[in-house]
Amino acid sequence: ETGVTQTPRHLVMGMTNKKSLKCEQHLGHNAMYWYKQSAKKPLELMFVYSLEERVENNSVPSRFSPECPNSSHLFLHLHTLQPEDSALYLCASSPRGQAFYGYTFGSGTRLTVV
Amino acid sequence: AQTVTQSQPEMSVQDAETVTLSCTYDTSENNYYLFWYKQPPSRQMILVIRQEAYKQQNATENRFSVNFQKAAKSFSLKISDSQLGDTAMYFCAFRGLDGQNFVFGPGTRLSVLP
Repeated sequence: ETGVTQTPRHLVMGMTNKKSLKCEQHLGHNAMYWYKQSAKKPLELMFVYSLEERVENNSVPSRFSPECPNSSHLFLHLHTLQPEDSALYLCASSPRGQAFYGYTFGSGTRLTVV
Repeated sequence: AQTVTQSQPEMSVQDAETVTLSCTYDTSENNYYLFWYKQPPSRQMILVIRQEAYKQQNATENRFSVNFQKAAKSFSLKISDSQLGDTAMYFCAFRGLDGQNFVFGPGTRLSVLP
């Protein structure tokens, strides 16, 4: 257990469903990230939150909607997904502005869209 | 923009042997950080080792060491006395001093054979 917890671990959803992924950390970090990891593709940065404010959105489709209610929690709300959205979604956190510390990752949510 | 390249998509090594994973990167910055992350089948990305570019001495963490060649922009990872538990995807990553987002390489899948 590294201190970043993601739930659920697995999720199967239909294209018309609405679901949410949850990420929680109690490491005192104030920057949090969503990454998408697909087979045969590099890690894709989706969203960055710093001090609970979204600072980056890498051209992610609007069917993905992030929410960061406080520095310990990060959500990814999913709506009307496509089969190509099936992937491993990783959450990470880090101390803001302290590059040497790197990221602490969660175990990811394996999402399958049917 | 920075880029990170890992030219070996897959590698294998016998138990107790030594293996070296390659990583090259491109940047115009003079000071930065480099990291190696490991992602075992459990999916959690774990920090293996990190290097500060302004330090000439190569970083070492137990069986893991790096060969950092700043002029050549090369950052290889050496795993000595390989163990079955080292089987994983290994990602090389770059991060600037200002704590900007990571740039990850595409990964190398390492299999340790009994």
